[in-house]
Amino acid sequence: DAKTTQPPSMDCAEGRAANLPCNHSTISGNEYVYWYRQIHSQGPQYIIHGLKNNETNEMASLIITEDRKSSTLILPHATLRDTAVYYCIVRPPPGGGADGLTFGKGTHLIIQP
Amino acid sequence: DAGVTQSPTHLIKTRGQHVTLRCSPISGHKSVSWYQQVLGQGPQFIFQYYEKEERGRGNFPDRFSARQFPNYSSELNVNALLLGDSALYLCASSLEEGRAEAFFGQGTRLTVV
Repeated sequence: DAKTTQPPSMDCAEGRAANLPCNHSTISGNEYVYWYRQIHSQGPQYIIHGLKNNETNEMASLIITEDRKSSTLILPHATLRDTAVYYCIVRPPPGGGADGLTFGKGTHLIIQP
Repeated sequence: DAGVTQSPTHLIKTRGQHVTLRCSPISGHKSVSWYQQVLGQGPQFIFQYYEKEERGRGNFPDRFSARQFPNYSSELNVNALLLGDSALYLCASSLEEGRAEAFFGQGTRLTVV
């Protein structure tokens, strides 16, 4: 799986949009970008994934650059409950690998009141 | 619907002992994966099982083993415990093999003394 690079920590004011960057310059043409988050003392939670088009769901938006070498996870209106470690993961397409998810150290997002 | 359930939630063992951790996946999910998360690090992949067969294995010693039962629940076994095995052990379930939209349990906190 391609390696990802994320800033170790970020702050964001409550109610503002939180934009979390991820670099994945070695991503292959068929690899997807996945985002998970882990709130303290809980298991990781799936957020969103995409291949090359921008994606949006009830939790977040995912913006992938045209060259697919980087992406940004956007939490449109951050709340205190969004404080967590956010992991960006690159994976083969569904059915393309059974070697689990490769988590890095992620970005610790702290939402400030 | 019940999420992924793991038992026990906390466990203290002595070096050299054996431990068994249990996981019940979300109803209808056939794939179960196990992860180890030491303090300050992201989860590390240990095993994936699908339809009772091992489909993937991470870089862990043979002291670690697992199995999946006909009802898709799973056990993770660790023999000859070392102090370094102290960690949060996470179970994740997904509908099918290779899908990265995985749902994680709360984990079992293992302390080896």
